[in-house]
Amino acid sequence: KAGVTQTPRYLIKTRGQQVTLSCSPISGHRSVSWYQQTPGQGLQFLFEYFSETQRNKGNFPGRFSGRQFSNSRSEMNVSTLELGDSALYLCASSFDTGELFFGEGSRLTVL
Amino acid sequence: KQEVTQIPAALSVPEGENLVLNCSFTDSAIYNLQWFRQDPGKGLTSLLLIQSSQREQTSGRLNASLDKSSGRSTLYIAASQPGDSATYLCAVTGNMLTFGGGTRLMVKP
Repeated sequence: KAGVTQTPRYLIKTRGQQVTLSCSPISGHRSVSWYQQTPGQGLQFLFEYFSETQRNKGNFPGRFSGRQFSNSRSEMNVSTLELGDSALYLCASSFDTGELFFGEGSRLTVL
Repeated sequence: KQEVTQIPAALSVPEGENLVLNCSFTDSAIYNLQWFRQDPGKGLTSLLLIQSSQREQTSGRLNASLDKSSGRSTLYIAASQPGDSATYLCAVTGNMLTFGGGTRLMVKP
């Protein structure tokens, strides 16, 4: 059974650009959540989607957005990138509100 | 607002020792608590999930307990090995998932 797949694994952007990250959940999982991990702030919850609907949202500015498709795949977008957006972005999927399974992450560097 | 604290922040032990990692949370209204392991630059690997109605879970050399009333969970690792070296994170699910800051564990051969 394939795990959670995140693409791209690494990317470099410059300030002001935008970025889109993709997450394919484990087959059968309808919940996908996104997290930002930085050395200073640790792991912080961005948002969660379930059956194409945003079910929960963390305390991030509107530059951070996401969506989920009918096949449960999810994307997150960050517009007008800032240096502080450099982080490891992690995606997790779950069958319901149970055990979370994480992908390897997308490491974003903003120059 | 839920706050999750993990103590100690770092721990170094010789191989073979039994050890306990601590996790405390401020709001006892949780659905579950999960322990993860993270290797440098990698994603998180789920170790144990404890539902709010449960008191403990065991997997191999790992045992996690949950005391909702006191807002505490412990992860017990028996007979530690160098391969156990990683950062261990606890996370509680309430309205959203909240992570602790993690405990960096180093097991020396």
